[in-house]
Amino acid sequence: EPEVTQTPSHQVTQMGQEVILRCVPISNHLYFYWYRQILGQKVEFLVSFYNNEISEKSEIFDDQFSVERPDGSNFTLKIRSTKLEDSAMYFCASGQDSYNEQFFGPGTRLTVL
Amino acid sequence: AQSVTQPDIHITVSEGASLELRCNYSYGATPYLFWYVQSPGQGLQLLLKYFSGDTLVQGIKGFEAEFKRSQSSFNLRKPSVHWSDAAEYFCAVGARSGGGADGLTFGKGTHLIIQP
Repeated sequence: EPEVTQTPSHQVTQMGQEVILRCVPISNHLYFYWYRQILGQKVEFLVSFYNNEISEKSEIFDDQFSVERPDGSNFTLKIRSTKLEDSAMYFCASGQDSYNEQFFGPGTRLTVL
Repeated sequence: AQSVTQPDIHITVSEGASLELRCNYSYGATPYLFWYVQSPGQGLQLLLKYFSGDTLVQGIKGFEAEFKRSQSSFNLRKPSVHWSDAAEYFCAVGARSGGGADGLTFGKGTHLIIQP
């Protein structure tokens, strides 16, 4: 069964450094998403991407965040200058249509020191 | 904007007993509704979803949920829980915008503990 994959599974970085989180969505999906989950809290929507552009973003997704689909398979989330409060689990998700059925990857745990 | 409330932070159930996890949503129209399960250190797995039609939906692992429009609820049920059901359960709502890629809004989750 096809699944969403994410790399790395765990990323440790110093405050102020740039990080890139990578995702490979399910191959025939057209809609892509990033969410984050701070430890012990709920999953929060960050951004969605469709037709090579951002479709929707939350107030969390400020100028330090960016997303890109550099080729036909990868979907990346870049954090330009990490802060301590960016420490969280970041989930990528993809969907075949806009009916909101989204399939989640296993997540990348980002630790900012 | 939509919102989701899961009023129970923790629930403890004996193995073999029945289970009901509560979820209430706030949305101006009929939403898309989902239940996801998250085991420790794992990602989110979709248990079931409601889009339209029959208000009682069946999911994987023996779970079901009932959409009640009058109560703005989408409670998750299972007639007999197994120790492997211990996990975090999230209710989520999606908007019917008719286009674009809308993010899901999640509840805070219910932590399910199974007693032997």
